[in-house]
Amino acid sequence: AQTVTQSQPEMSVQEAETVTLSCTYDTSESDYYLFWYKQPPSRQMILVIRQEAYKQQNATENRFSVNFQKAAKSFSLKISDSQLGDAAMYFCAYRRGFGNQFYFGTGTSLTVIP
Amino acid sequence: DTAVSQTPKYLVTQMGNDKSIKCEQNLGHDTMYWYKQDSKKFLKIMFSYNNKELIINETVPNRFSPKSPDKAHLNLHINSLELGDSAVYFCASSQDHRGDSYNEQFFGPGTRLTVL
Repeated sequence: AQTVTQSQPEMSVQEAETVTLSCTYDTSESDYYLFWYKQPPSRQMILVIRQEAYKQQNATENRFSVNFQKAAKSFSLKISDSQLGDAAMYFCAYRRGFGNQFYFGTGTSLTVIP
Repeated sequence: DTAVSQTPKYLVTQMGNDKSIKCEQNLGHDTMYWYKQDSKKFLKIMFSYNNKELIINETVPNRFSPKSPDKAHLNLHINSLELGDSAVYFCASSQDHRGDSYNEQFFGPGTRLTVL
């Protein structure tokens, strides 16, 4: 079974600085999708960024970018110019190329220090 | 327009009661899910339905029964509520189209269930 590991239960960053959240996954498949979700205190799950495994180019969304290392099975999230509103729980998720099941990591709680 | 909606958002009830949580999605997705998020924020898949058919049924007490009257709705009924059922329950949906760029899950706002 696929597993997703987030080894940093908690992280903190100074406002305007850059922080990287790590995620590794275990799979024997070549076709899959990876996601980062944000869960602020409002508890709504919000998609931050997605990456298709067949795309070599790292995905970017404004201040959010990923470092996708397929061979190493690593999918880290970089947040640049951190803002107070970035404070949240961040979940890494894996989806197989076929099928409907998603696998979530245990989350990283990000604190932004003013 | 709300893509995935859940009602109620908060539910406080006594041990032993039976309660339901409703979920609706207006995205035209063919797969819907129920997750349980505990106090440590761990997200655990409970059920998944594809076109009204159950496709994932994790190890969940049979006091929990999902019902999907149509593709757009997936309700969760819980019998004989216990203290350990207190959690946030999320409904989600996705589209099972390989190559479709919109392949992520869309989540509802969550239902915070408190069992006293």
